[in-house]
Amino acid sequence: SQQGEEDPQALSIQEGENATMNCSYKTSINNLQWYRQNSGRGLVHLILIRSNEREKHSGRLRVTLDTSKKSSSLLITASRAADTASYFCATDYLKKYSGAGSYQLTFGKGTKLSVIP
Amino acid sequence: EAQVTQNPRYLITVTGKKLTVTCSQNMNHEYMSWYRQDPGLGLRQIYYSMNVEVTDKGDVPEGYKVSRKEKRNFPLILESPSPNQTSLYFCASSLGTGGHNQPQHFGDGTRLSIL
Repeated sequence: SQQGEEDPQALSIQEGENATMNCSYKTSINNLQWYRQNSGRGLVHLILIRSNEREKHSGRLRVTLDTSKKSSSLLITASRAADTASYFCATDYLKKYSGAGSYQLTFGKGTKLSVIP
Repeated sequence: EAQVTQNPRYLITVTGKKLTVTCSQNMNHEYMSWYRQDPGLGLRQIYYSMNVEVTDKGDVPEGYKVSRKEKRNFPLILESPSPNQTSLYFCASSLGTGGHNQPQHFGDGTRLSIL
């Protein structure tokens, strides 16, 4: 039940430039998370933003959330070669087999960012 | 060091030979989950566990089993592996029982090839 979709699929920029990745989703959410994955490694959590928040910062990262448009963006400022990785958004959805169900995370397919030195 | 440890990291095996991928976390997390990652399909959840002895199916549970007898361990069992289970597998854990409103901590992955 993937509902988050990142855009673009791939992005190539020069070191020092800003990188912007977008995530769109289909149904209402409680929170949205962004993760980074270096090639062949596990995902690393970057930021969690709740549905009642519009913007969050962490170092060179800035995440915005627009629930009316069902979209989020991740901005990496002053990019470095070490930022080269895939970036995923994850949204929660209500998973029901029976009874009340439970909220689970679903991940998009990711944006592959290449930062050229 | 807080971590999620998966073993083995790489495995090549043959169709039908039962295998277990272990996952252990040292953060006292209630929630644990298994994902598989395939090119073009992203991460898909296989099974999750909200606490000891509480497990449930994710989006792609067919062909897999799990158990959660202790809080720290959440093994993934392939009773009769088939080539379509060739994939990169990740175990993750988080605080609380929800799994959706806390950061997930991921292991480094297990690359599984079924011939």
